Amino acid sequence: DTEVTQTPKHLVMGMTNKKSLKCEQHMGHRAMYWYKQKAKKPPELMFVYSYEKLSINESVPSRFSPECPNSSLLNLHLHALQPEDSALYLCASSQDLAGEQYFGPGTRLTVT
Amino acid sequence: QKEVEQDPGPLSVPEGAIVSLNCTYSNSAFQYFMWYRQYSRKGPELLMYTYSSGNKEDGRFTAQVDKSSKYISLFIRDSQPSDSATYLCAMSDFNKFYFGSGTKLNVKP
Repeated sequence: DTEVTQTPKHLVMGMTNKKSLKCEQHMGHRAMYWYKQKAKKPPELMFVYSYEKLSINESVPSRFSPECPNSSLLNLHLHALQPEDSALYLCASSQDLAGEQYFGPGTRLTVT
Repeated sequence: QKEVEQDPGPLSVPEGAIVSLNCTYSNSAFQYFMWYRQYSRKGPELLMYTYSSGNKEDGRFTAQVDKSSKYISLFIRDSQPSDSATYLCAMSDFNKFYFGSGTKLNVKP
């Protein structure tokens, strides 16, 4: 099973709202990732967790806050977002930092 | 210069054609090469991955890596309308992942 699940599928939020995106994998992978993807662009790395510790933060604004509660779960907490943050947010996982990444279906976020 | 260069297309072919998708790269530290397929508004789906130079085949798909030329290709035989998607190459130096910009493929019935 190479499935990564993400919830919700769609999210519309106002600029003053607080919401969270969730990601789950049961492949025993030890690295998990958050990406942001705008239309007609490749995924853009935001955060990397390795063995439940944040290993890479690609200078992402503090209104995005990642959390890795355990080896299977990854959350992305959202607060005071801007309309330009509207995008497809993708979660991925891999066996380790070197391995091929498996992506979830994404959460389509719209900030109004 | 970008780490990974990929022709954005769009590439339009008739059903049944052989499709060739390509990426070039500049960093000789890249050791691991992947191809992803992404349908509109969906997450990327891993199609193939390989460490070594040479060819790797899986059904209608063949991935080719030429490390000496820093060039990778994905061939799709007997292309189908369901292959219409954006194809992303990706490479890893075992520390970080690098994506190409993606090639949009349209297979016409």
